[in-house]
Amino acid sequence: DTGVSQDPRHKITKRGQNVTFRCDPISEHNRLYWYRQTLGQGPEFLTYFQNEAQLEKSRLLSDRFSAERPKGSFSTLEIQRTEQGDSAMYLCASSLTGTGVGEKLFFGSGTQLSVL
Amino acid sequence: EDKVVQSPLSLVVHEGDTVTLNCSYEVTNFRSLLWYKQEKKAPTFLFMLTSSGIEKKSGRLSSILDKKELFSILNITATQTGDSAIYLCAQDSNYQLIWGAGTKLIIKP
Repeated sequence: DTGVSQDPRHKITKRGQNVTFRCDPISEHNRLYWYRQTLGQGPEFLTYFQNEAQLEKSRLLSDRFSAERPKGSFSTLEIQRTEQGDSAMYLCASSLTGTGVGEKLFFGSGTQLSVL
Repeated sequence: EDKVVQSPLSLVVHEGDTVTLNCSYEVTNFRSLLWYKQEKKAPTFLFMLTSSGIEKKSGRLSSILDKKELFSILNITATQTGDSAIYLCAQDSNYQLIWGAGTKLIIKP
């Protein structure tokens, strides 16, 4: 499978715990995005990387959220001290620079987070 | 802050019907308007529109952009049960995609 893969598919955690999600983009893609989606809403932008550089973070992203892409390949998204409001689908997407943000944006299947 | 508004929020039709989904957007740093289909998890790309009046087609799906009135429509003709999904539109604005809430389309056999 050469698409975008995310792990885990589902995560249930207790409030206050830390969680980490992983995204493996399509291998030749240099841009990687993280989005959050709740029921009945479109995806909400969180952050994006070009290679290993984090170029933009949403103003809505609290200090409890951090993302890394250390070698410009896979990325991790960590949420510290989870709150019930963090419950959502976390989507990762990748693309190739120069083709436009959306035209070649490929999404993973997401990680569904439930905070109890 | 830019907003993308889709209508209707949900739509139920019978197989064989034609549907039109609407998307209005705001203009700041506009680069393109995109349509995606989301069935279970991952949105999949349908169309990217950059110019007014030029229809993009893919099988029974087509889409067009009106940059003067700031909206786009997605048409699906001869609908099939496999078209049931959430259809999302997004404005590409300064390297971010601003998404609408989606239209949930249900096709009854």
